Amino acid sequence: QKEVEQNSGPLSVPEGAIASLNCTYSDRGSQSFFWYRQYSGKSPELIMFIYSNGDKEDGRFTAQLNKASQYVSLLIRDSQPSDSATYLCAVNIGDFGNEKLTFGTGTRLTIIP
Amino acid sequence: DTAVSQTPKYLVTQMGNDKSIKCEQNLGHDTMYWYKQDSKKFLKIMFSYNNKELIINETVPNRFSPKSPDKAHLNLHINSLELGDSAVYFCASSQSPGDYGYTFGSGTRLTVV
Repeated sequence: QKEVEQNSGPLSVPEGAIASLNCTYSDRGSQSFFWYRQYSGKSPELIMFIYSNGDKEDGRFTAQLNKASQYVSLLIRDSQPSDSATYLCAVNIGDFGNEKLTFGTGTRLTIIP
Repeated sequence: DTAVSQTPKYLVTQMGNDKSIKCEQNLGHDTMYWYKQDSKKFLKIMFSYNNKELIINETVPNRFSPKSPDKAHLNLHINSLELGDSAVYFCASSQSPGDYGYTFGSGTRLTVV
């Protein structure tokens, strides 16, 4: 089983709709969860992080975490063409002081005008 | 005023050559990383240094040797380059191991011919 799993997509969403991106992870001890956005040919850019169960909202983005189900998601409301990118789920895995950010394979999102 | 800068941005070289990639961060972070992103966009950690000390060394061929002269710099030297080394190499930094998200450099696209 991969440490962090995502549906690779591509996921196509009409402009203005809600895009829903999902991620599961294998390490029950993980405490920190991140969503990165990567445009083609660019470096990953942190857009959200979440540490506690529940929802965390930042503008059009909402991260959701369910540690019991080992599941984290990202919702993008009012999707814009500029949201078209690959979204990488990342989880901090490892013992204190030796943590490493482990990435999923990413979900490619396309917003259709 | 780039936070994490890598040089060179592109590197094309022949098999068997030795090459280096340099990384510098001006964020005052204690921890730096090297990640490799393959052709399927999978980001995998290679090395992590905390305040010049190696703390993570994933299963990487010993042809790859990182060096951290101070906590603001982390370089990657690769000996006897092979075709399979072709990838995008990202440097990243964080305040400390396991803290917050990472800031990535713009990447070095290495092509071995």
